[in-house]
Amino acid sequence: DGGITQSPKYLFRKEGQNVTLSCEQNLNHDAMYWYRQDPGQGLRLIYYSQIVNDFQKGDIAEGYSVSREKKESFPLTVTSAQKNPTAFYLCASSTQYRSSYNSPLHFGNGTRLTVT
Amino acid sequence: GQSLEQPSEVTAVEGAIVQINCTYQTSGFYGLSWYQQHDGGAPTFLSYNALDGLEETGRFSSFLSRSDSYGYLLLQELQMKDSASYFCAVRGSYMIYNQGGKLIFGQGTELSVKP
Repeated sequence: DGGITQSPKYLFRKEGQNVTLSCEQNLNHDAMYWYRQDPGQGLRLIYYSQIVNDFQKGDIAEGYSVSREKKESFPLTVTSAQKNPTAFYLCASSTQYRSSYNSPLHFGNGTRLTVT
Repeated sequence: GQSLEQPSEVTAVEGAIVQINCTYQTSGFYGLSWYQQHDGGAPTFLSYNALDGLEETGRFSSFLSRSDSYGYLLLQELQMKDSASYFCAVRGSYMIYNQGGKLIFGQGTELSVKP
């Protein structure tokens, strides 16, 4: 079955450490996204990539970095510069939005990161 | 930029009808989408409106009025499993640098369905 896999589901880190969240999709989608969700809050866009080897900052990119070396993969690194990294992180993908304005996002099950 | 407003929570009883409103401000408009998210889970796509009017998908319908920058999600014959958060979302404008690929979400409306 096609889908998006995020791993791990739960992640614990000490303050000051960088941590990389994995996101893999086998839907053959061009576009991939990272969102952050805090308790009782909406989804805020961190980074997005419309095509391999290209990505753009979202609304809250500070303290995060990404790479898009393969179509299937869009890992997110939460660096020690991120002031408040504890959150629920959601990865998503969609067909290339330019082919259709209605390109619904398919989400992974998320990674819950706790930094102490 | 884009911004969306929706109520933070709504409560209804099983079998009832509930409407979740969404108002938006965008510099370009490419349709209003709705997503459902159960507690701790992945959001799932529900509906999309690009043109004015009502789109129906089973018990769920979504309405759009572009002149009013307003839309709503209508849930009929409510079931307990409909208890979830519902998000409206708009895509960024292609006219503005670094906006065209972004899907921006509202804060979400938490729907509680009571027996």
